[in-house]
Amino acid sequence: QSALTQPASVSGSPGQSITISCTGTSSDVGTYNLVSWYQQHPGKAPKLMIYEGIKRPSGVSNRFSGSKSGNTASLTISGLQAEDEADYYCCSYASSSAWVFGGGTKLTVL
Amino acid sequence: EVQLVQSGAEVKKPGESLKISCKGSGYTFTNYWIGWVRQTPGKGLEWMGIIYPGDSDTRYSPSFQGQVTISADKSISTAYLQWSSLKASDTAMYYCARSYSSSPPPDYWGQGTLVTVSS
Repeated sequence: QSALTQPASVSGSPGQSITISCTGTSSDVGTYNLVSWYQQHPGKAPKLMIYEGIKRPSGVSNRFSGSKSGNTASLTISGLQAEDEADYYCCSYASSSAWVFGGGTKLTVL
Repeated sequence: EVQLVQSGAEVKKPGESLKISCKGSGYTFTNYWIGWVRQTPGKGLEWMGIIYPGDSDTRYSPSFQGQVTISADKSISTAYLQWSSLKASDTAMYYCARSYSSSPPPDYWGQGTLVTVSS
């Protein structure tokens, strides 16, 4: 059982927008603005897409955006492209255990 | 360019010891924390522990405390994860990852080291 809860899968057609949620508690997501989102393609290492909840690293497309409300963080991908098909993980700092991860969400581009 | 390069895949028998490595380059190794993360199909990504190579300050997840040892050699910009007695349940992909502090999630990740423990 992962510490943060994500939907197992989401899907969308090219050009559409999708949102992936990441629900934690007041001990992690709800208290700290330290949520990151990672994209992982099969056989590859995770790649940072969003950090501190809303910030995009240099080189990451502005089609990726992050937000937070209460104990839930969200990743939105707009203008879906075939290359966005991957697994996505959220991660938050937690007072109990440093980094806590979500179980991952498989994004399928139809 | 920031890079974390991990050692290659390992196949071990239960009870054997193992030490895998993670070499940092493209940044000041002693100014960033290095964490270790386990990935398995069943449990996903799990934080194992973290070390600050500057002074070897090390912290462990309660789930991994006593099961593994994290260390670093700043003279060669390399962090390590080691086991004294492997179990079949240690079979997983292991990643090292960098963070500017002990709290925020990491920014750069190594390519991963696959550890297989089987008799």
